[in-house]
Amino acid sequence: EIVLTQSPGTLSLSPGERATLSCRASQNIDDDLVAWFQQTAGQPPMLLIYAASRRATGIPDRFSGSGSGTDFTLTISKLEPEDFAVYYCQQYGGSSRTFGQGTKVEVK
Amino acid sequence: EVQLEESGGGLVKPGDSLRLSCAGSGFSFNTYGLNWVRQAPGKGLEWVASISSSSSFVYYGAPVMGRFAVSRDNANNILYLQMSDLRTDDTATYFCARDGPNVSSGWRHWGRGTLVAVSS
Repeated sequence: EIVLTQSPGTLSLSPGERATLSCRASQNIDDDLVAWFQQTAGQPPMLLIYAASRRATGIPDRFSGSGSGTDFTLTISKLEPEDFAVYYCQQYGGSSRTFGQGTKVEVK
Repeated sequence: EVQLEESGGGLVKPGDSLRLSCAGSGFSFNTYGLNWVRQAPGKGLEWVASISSSSSFVYYGAPVMGRFAVSRDNANNILYLQMSDLRTDDTATYFCARDGPNVSSGWRHWGRGTLVAVSS
């Protein structure tokens, strides 16, 4: 089973700053089938990025994804108040689908 | 509009069984793979199981393999999760999520979840 390790665990930033979240896989992810989700309290996850770098429908362009192989990154170019939340990466290639443990982006 | 609605959660004792349902609407149910994901209180997301559109392929996460079974009724647009030998660490909100239109599309559509509490 592929293990995804997200870092940092918590990111303390101010509105307007840039956020860089990392997701590292224990083995190569075929076809770069990595997604990023945002979750706020009491809500289901919301798909932001799929296939490592493609923005989901309706997601603002301040969100971008990059990476391949075992190292993937979610970047939020300029944090808006509604972006303070928990972010999860997920790999969905093959027969096993796993999530990272999450990165919390909090207000500094 | 795509909608997914989970039901069947509740309070059960260790060792009990429970069946969750996820009703889908607003899309061609029988053409999409479906998934179960859970989230223990205050914890992260954990993938539970996936099933292909025609039930040809089913996959499970290691913690539930041999105890949980995923199935679907395409005639009635319902996804199921049969849970057996429940343990206290199965306590979680269980979400269903739909695959995208192709293998790379990701899981855009989710239900709001149903809470399962396992306690003596």
